[in-house]
Amino acid sequence: GIQVEQSPPDLILQEGANSTLRCNFSDSVNNLQWFHQNPWGQLINLFYIPSGTKQNGRLSATTVATERYSLLYISSSQTTDSGVYFCAVRAYGQNFVFGPGTRLSVLP
Amino acid sequence: NAGVTQTPKFRVLKTGQSMTLLCAQDMNHEYMYWYRQDPGMGLRLIHYSVGEGTTAKGEVPDGYNVSRLKKQNFLLGLESAAPSQTSVYFCASSYSSGSGPDTQYFGPGTRLTVL
Repeated sequence: GIQVEQSPPDLILQEGANSTLRCNFSDSVNNLQWFHQNPWGQLINLFYIPSGTKQNGRLSATTVATERYSLLYISSSQTTDSGVYFCAVRAYGQNFVFGPGTRLSVLP
Repeated sequence: NAGVTQTPKFRVLKTGQSMTLLCAQDMNHEYMYWYRQDPGMGLRLIHYSVGEGTTAKGEVPDGYNVSRLKKQNFLLGLESAAPSQTSVYFCASSYSSGSGPDTQYFGPGTRLTVL
C-alpha cells in the first residue's frame, strides 16, 4: 500500500515565526487532506488539497501531485497552533492512510 | 448541524467484555469510517462503509465488527475486548465526489481502556 512520511517529526517555534511542514507519499493520490489535532485531541480539517494551492488566513497548502508531496505553511504562528499536524492520503481504489504527524509547539 | 457525534466519550472494560460504539452524522454523507489512534501515532483505519447496508475492512479490522443499518449511523462492536484494543477511537464521514470520498469530517473520539 501507499507509504506516507511527514517531516519534521517535531518542531518548536517562537510565537510569530513561520514554518513549513512536509508530507511525502509513495503513489498517485486522488485525495489528500491536512488536519490539526489540538491538545484536547480534536481533529480539525485544514485543507482538502489533492492538487494545487489553497490559502485560509495564516495557513496555506500546496500539493504537487506529479512529485508526490504536499506542503503546509503556517505564518505568524500563535500558541493556539500547537498540536499535531497530520496529512492523510488516498490512492485510487485504496483506503485512507495517515502520516505519522508533525508535533508543533509554539512558545509564547 | 451537530456534524459527527460519538457515544460514549469514555469507557473502561474488562478483558472479555463486549461493547458497541455509536457514530452518528447529520450531513447525509455516503462514506463513514472508524479509526483507532494509539499514543504517539497517526490514525489507522479499522472498517469503513460506502453506503447504507455496506461495510468493508480497513487496515486493522481484526477483533472488530461494524454495521450500517441506517445511512446516518455507523456502529463499531468489540465482541471480546482485549488490552491491545485500548485506544482512542475516531469516527469520520465524507460525501462522495463521484470519483471517491471527498473531505473527511471527524467526531470528537471515544477513549477506551481495556483492563
